[in-house]
Amino acid sequence: TQLLEQSPQFLSIQEGENLTVYCNSSSVFSSLQWYRQEPGEGPVLLVTVVTGGEVKKLKRLTFQFGDARKDSSLHITAAQTGDTGLYLCAGAFQGAQKLVFGQGTRLTINP
Amino acid sequence: DSGVTQTPKHLITATGQRVTLRCSPRSGDLSVYWYQQSLDQGLQFLIQYYNGEERAKGNILERFSAQQFPDLHSELNLSSLELGDSALYFCASSVVPGKGYNEQFFGPGTRLTVL
Repeated sequence: TQLLEQSPQFLSIQEGENLTVYCNSSSVFSSLQWYRQEPGEGPVLLVTVVTGGEVKKLKRLTFQFGDARKDSSLHITAAQTGDTGLYLCAGAFQGAQKLVFGQGTRLTINP
Repeated sequence: DSGVTQTPKHLITATGQRVTLRCSPRSGDLSVYWYQQSLDQGLQFLIQYYNGEERAKGNILERFSAQQFPDLHSELNLSSLELGDSALYFCASSVVPGKGYNEQFFGPGTRLTVL
């Protein structure tokens, strides 16, 4: 069974602080996506990483794919209240037609 | 706006009933996925269709079924509903599976409440 574990499950910090969210698996991904979901809405794709060691930046968000393609991290610099939401990582495994989602990290940024 | 549409937005029904959820994928996307998200739970993959044919199955109950029509829209049928079926149901679409990476674009979801 291919599982993704996200940590932490919940994170509440003050505006302006930095944070990192992790996504880990014992299996190798062919690709990994990060999504952000707000209450009552569908997940929105933030980024796709494909190559081991790859780093992608989206404004204050930095996404890194592990060298072995088994893990990924999302780092947010100077968090803002608008960053509040559920962050989901989703992995695709070679030959698989579906994405496997982690349980998510519920992030709350307090003003 | 992802370009994926889902109807209805909300659905309230009683136990034992049957409902149909509808999804229209983004223009050009051939693949449709259905997910269930219960309160405080992650996304559980139900089923995938590609160009009208079932391509992959997840944790879909026998009471649930789906299909994809020639115009590529998809319907998820839920029957003999139970209280535990109350959840958000999402549809997602992607261009072509197996192209190397599988980026999925999600609709706004249907919130099903079973009373």
